[in-house]
Amino acid sequence: AQSVTQLDSHVSVSEGTPVLLRCNYSSSYSPSLFWYVQHPNKGLQLLLKYTSAATLVKGINGFEAEFKKSETSFHLTKPSAHMSDAAEYFCVVSGATFSGGYNKLIFGAGTRLAVHP
Amino acid sequence: KAGVTQTPRYLIKTRGQQVTLSCSPISGHRSVSWYQQTPGQGLQFLFEYFSETQRNKGNFPGRFSGRQFSNSRSEMNVSTLELGDSALYLCASSFRQGSYEQYFGPGTRLTVT
Repeated sequence: AQSVTQLDSHVSVSEGTPVLLRCNYSSSYSPSLFWYVQHPNKGLQLLLKYTSAATLVKGINGFEAEFKKSETSFHLTKPSAHMSDAAEYFCVVSGATFSGGYNKLIFGAGTRLAVHP
Repeated sequence: KAGVTQTPRYLIKTRGQQVTLSCSPISGHRSVSWYQQTPGQGLQFLFEYFSETQRNKGNFPGRFSGRQFSNSRSEMNVSTLELGDSALYLCASSFRQGSYEQYFGPGTRLTVT
């Protein structure tokens, strides 16, 4: 079974400072991992995905994440926060099934990122 | 290419009524998944449809049902509405069944009074 834990429900940073959103996962099989962002009253947008290629994944808007199997982590980072980054971020896991397909997406509880001037 | 569209965007219903939500996937996408988002439970998977057949189902009561048409458009139905069904219902489409790369619509905000 797959699960994902986002370690912080709220993160607050100042504009121009680094962002770190933490995520740990659990998966019986080789996982695919994603970060999605949701701005107020909007749907979910895919930021980046890890699918067993490079462990450092670059996404949109300057975000990146590193897959660390030994730590079962997939933390999201950005060197310099922008006001427009204020949103809710979801870490998501989708595990491969024994038969080779993919299961449904399983979402973490979300981390609300606030960016202050 | 147009994104995933959901109608209506907002809906208010009373307890005991039923509701039908609609989702049009991205052109060429054949899989549609539905999710419920609430402050208390977060984002939870409802079901996935591919080629007009339900392929995957989450842990929701039988009051929640869906279907998919030959043009890949999907509808979700909730019967005998309860207050706890108030939520944002999100639809996501993908090219293949069970594909991890899903594209989400803006959601339908359902309020049950």
